[in-house]
Amino acid sequence: AQSVTQLGSHVSVSEGALVLLRCNYSSSVPPYLFWYVQYPNQGLQLLLKYTSAATLVKGINGFEAEFKKSETSFHLTKPSAHMSDAAEYFCAVTHNQAGTALIFGKGTTLSVSS
Amino acid sequence: EPEVTQTPSHQVTQMGQEVILRCVPISNHLYFYWYRQILGQKVEFLVSFYNNEISEKSEIFDDQFSVERPDGSNFTLKIRSTKLEDSAMYFCASRGLTSNTGELFFGEGSRLTVL
Repeated sequence: AQSVTQLGSHVSVSEGALVLLRCNYSSSVPPYLFWYVQYPNQGLQLLLKYTSAATLVKGINGFEAEFKKSETSFHLTKPSAHMSDAAEYFCAVTHNQAGTALIFGKGTTLSVSS
Repeated sequence: EPEVTQTPSHQVTQMGQEVILRCVPISNHLYFYWYRQILGQKVEFLVSFYNNEISEKSEIFDDQFSVERPDGSNFTLKIRSTKLEDSAMYFCASRGLTSNTGELFFGEGSRLTVL
């Protein structure tokens, strides 16, 4: 069975500060990992994905994440937070089997203050 | 850019009523999913559907729920007799047959409020 744990349900940063959202996964097979973002009253938008190629993955809006197998982690970072980054962030895991569902973490709410 | 569309965006219903939520997946996609998100909680998998049958379902997806692909474009989620705890945002998602990355494309959701 696969699962995802997001440490910290709420993260607050100042504008311009580093953003670090933590995600650890559990999977008995090589995982595919994703970060989705949900802005208020909107659906889920893919930020970035790891699919067994490069371990450092770059996504939209300046976000990136690094797959670390030894730590079973896929933390999301952004060097400099912007007010528009305030949203809910979800880490998700699946594996390369057609039709297999994505399993989501509980989400982390990112607040950005000026 | 192709997108998943969902209707209605918001539905209010009385407890015990039947509700049908509709989704139009991306046209060349063949795997379809429903997820739900209760307010303030995580996104939970309900069911996946392929080749006109359910391929996987969670414990949440009990006999009160059903899915259907009535024609070549729509994918529906039916809740037969709604309960208060069914109040949530329901997300439809789809995935292409040739996708080898597991990426799902999500609609903007249908908010269901059960009174």
